[in-house]
Amino acid sequence: DAGVTQSPTHLIKTRGQQVTLRCSPKSGHDTVSWYQQALGQGPQFIFQYYEEEERQRGNFPDRFSGHQFPNYSSELNVNALLLGDSALYLCASSDTPGRSQETQYFGPGTRLLVL
Amino acid sequence: RKEVEQDPGPFNVPEGATVAFNCTYSNSASQSFFWYRQDCRKEPKLLMSVYSSGNEDGRFTAQLNRASQYISLLIRDSKLSDSATYLCVVNIGRNTGFQKLVFGTGTRLLVSP
Repeated sequence: DAGVTQSPTHLIKTRGQQVTLRCSPKSGHDTVSWYQQALGQGPQFIFQYYEEEERQRGNFPDRFSGHQFPNYSSELNVNALLLGDSALYLCASSDTPGRSQETQYFGPGTRLLVL
Repeated sequence: RKEVEQDPGPFNVPEGATVAFNCTYSNSASQSFFWYRQDCRKEPKLLMSVYSSGNEDGRFTAQLNRASQYISLLIRDSKLSDSATYLCVVNIGRNTGFQKLVFGTGTRLLVSP
């Protein structure tokens, strides 16, 4: 049973650049959530996708955008990178809302360093 | 005030000890509650859900007090492998079926021989 996968594992960018992170959900899951985890902090909710639409959003600026594809995989895009965007970006997948307990399963994350 | 507050620790305990973690949350409309475990440089993994009636899974017991907006995790007979960061998590998603998880900063546990 394939778990949540993310790519790339590590990434180094410079200020002002743009980045795209990718996530494939666990087999059988159709809902994807993205989180940012700064060093020493808990993950912070960025947004959630279901049926190719953004369903919920946390307190992140519009520089953070996303997309979900028909195969349920998802991308997180961050424009105009700032030093403060350096973090571990986690993708979590879950089952269809309302169908089950909807436990969120996390991928290994992408470590982004902005110089 | 943070939505979910935890003592960051670290809690240093010997093998075999019992250790308790506490967490408070501010949103009284919170729907569900969890403890996740995160090993160093790894992703969070669900340890257990938390119910008002309390629930136990082996050496782990979780409790929820909705009136006090307080969540606890008790670990009995600590093992070296229990060393990790324990994240208190609250779902503040409205009754739409979509989870919106809010994480505490985590409590670090170090179990020594």
